[in-house]
Amino acid sequence: AQSVTQPDIHITVSEGASLELRCNYSYGATPYLFWYVQSPGQGLQLLLKYFSGDTLVQGIKGFEAEFKRSQSSFNLRKPSVHWSDAAEYFCAVVAYSGGYQKVTFGTGTKLQVIP
Amino acid sequence: DGGITQSPKYLFRKEGQNVTLSCEQNLNHDAMYWYRQDPGQGLRLIYYSQIVNDFQKGDIAEGYSVSREKKESFPLTVTSAQKNPTAFYLCATSRPSTNYGYTFGSGTRLTVV
Repeated sequence: AQSVTQPDIHITVSEGASLELRCNYSYGATPYLFWYVQSPGQGLQLLLKYFSGDTLVQGIKGFEAEFKRSQSSFNLRKPSVHWSDAAEYFCAVVAYSGGYQKVTFGTGTKLQVIP
Repeated sequence: DGGITQSPKYLFRKEGQNVTLSCEQNLNHDAMYWYRQDPGQGLRLIYYSQIVNDFQKGDIAEGYSVSREKKESFPLTVTSAQKNPTAFYLCATSRPSTNYGYTFGSGTRLTVV
C-alpha cells in the first residue's frame, strides 16, 4: 500500500525567504504525486502534480516541486514566500485500484510566515 | 461556474443523533469521495463512489453511511454509532480515468454538543 510522510508538522519562515516543504512517499510503481494547499476552514486546492516526464514541475502561486525517484521524494519549493502563503500544505500519492483513483495524503505541514 | 457545494458549513449534533452532510457537484465528475480531517492526522477516506448506486468503504467507514442516487449528489450520514464525530468533513470529486487530481468542496465542520 502507498504511504506519504511529511516530516515537518510546522514550519516558520520570514516573508521573502525561500521555502522547501518535504515529502517522502512509498509506492511500488511509478507514482502520481500531488501537492495541495488548505487555508483555515477551507477545502484543499491543487498546487501542482507530477505524473511523468520532467521531474521539475511548476504549479500555481509560484510553487514548484522536484520529483527524485532515488530519494522517493517530492519536495515543494518557493523562492520567495509571501504572507498569503501561510496555510497548511498536503502531499499526496495516487494509486489506481479497480478503476478507482485512491489518494493517500500526508499529515500536512503548517506554514507560518512572519514579517 | 462549476464546483462542489457542501452544506451546511457548520453543524452541531447532539449525542445519539444522526446527521446528514450534503455534497452536490455540477462538474459532471463520475467519482465522489468523503474525507474526514482531524488535526495532525491529515485526511482519512470514509467512503467513495465511482458511479450512481455504487459506493465503497474507505479506511474509516464505521459509523458512517452514504448514498449515490444521482451523479451530482453524495450525501454522508454520520450515525449515532460514530463515537467521535467531531471533525472537519471534506467532499471531493474526480474524473476516474484521468489524472487531474481531486476537486474539493469547502467542507463542513461537525461538532458534538
